[in-house]
Amino acid sequence: GDSVTQMEGPVTLSEEAFLTINCTYTATGYPSLFWYVQYPGEGLQLLLKATKADDKGSNKGFEATYRKETTSFHLEKGSVQVSDSAVYFCALSAGNNRKLIWGLGTSLAVNP
Amino acid sequence: DAGITQSPRHKVTETGTPVTLRCHQTENHRYMYWYRQDPGHGLRLIHYSYGVKDTDKGEVSDGYSVSRSKTEDFLLTLESATSSQTSVYFCAIRSPASGGEETQYFGPGTRLLVL
Repeated sequence: GDSVTQMEGPVTLSEEAFLTINCTYTATGYPSLFWYVQYPGEGLQLLLKATKADDKGSNKGFEATYRKETTSFHLEKGSVQVSDSAVYFCALSAGNNRKLIWGLGTSLAVNP
Repeated sequence: DAGITQSPRHKVTETGTPVTLRCHQTENHRYMYWYRQDPGHGLRLIHYSYGVKDTDKGEVSDGYSVSRSKTEDFLLTLESATSSQTSVYFCAIRSPASGGEETQYFGPGTRLLVL
């Protein structure tokens, strides 16, 4: 069945460091791919998405490119801030009912 | 802001008691979802609805029931709460978005503690 695998956390970085959070997927058909972010004590917010191969989603300095050849959707940011500290979830939407399949989340802590 | 509210936001209850959580949306979306979030498990789908009185099970539906008598409200009921149902519960709606792919938007969550 469809699945999403994220790198395990926690990830700890210093402010202004480069961030990569890996996400790979297994899916039949042509899934859409998403990154959601959850700040402490809050619900999940859509961060970015991509709906077809080679699409690049971007928002708030974060980017991810839909790579069909490597079945990946890695999240990157060139210079993280303390305010980026959160849990990041990768997800895919596939099938006729477009249910979301979730990764387990990666916790990011950014130190000043 | 997708116009989703959840109530209550926090609830403490005892094992064996019934509990109902409410999700309310203001934008008339057809699809609504209930998830639970637990450490080490990420988000897991409990039930979803694709219209008034139209619901289906998710991957962890045992011990839960849902109802949707109005488009704007989706209720999740724990018929007899157990400690294993201690969790954070999120409601979501599915909304048309730019780029043609419908996207799920989440409510603020309900923290439930079953003693």
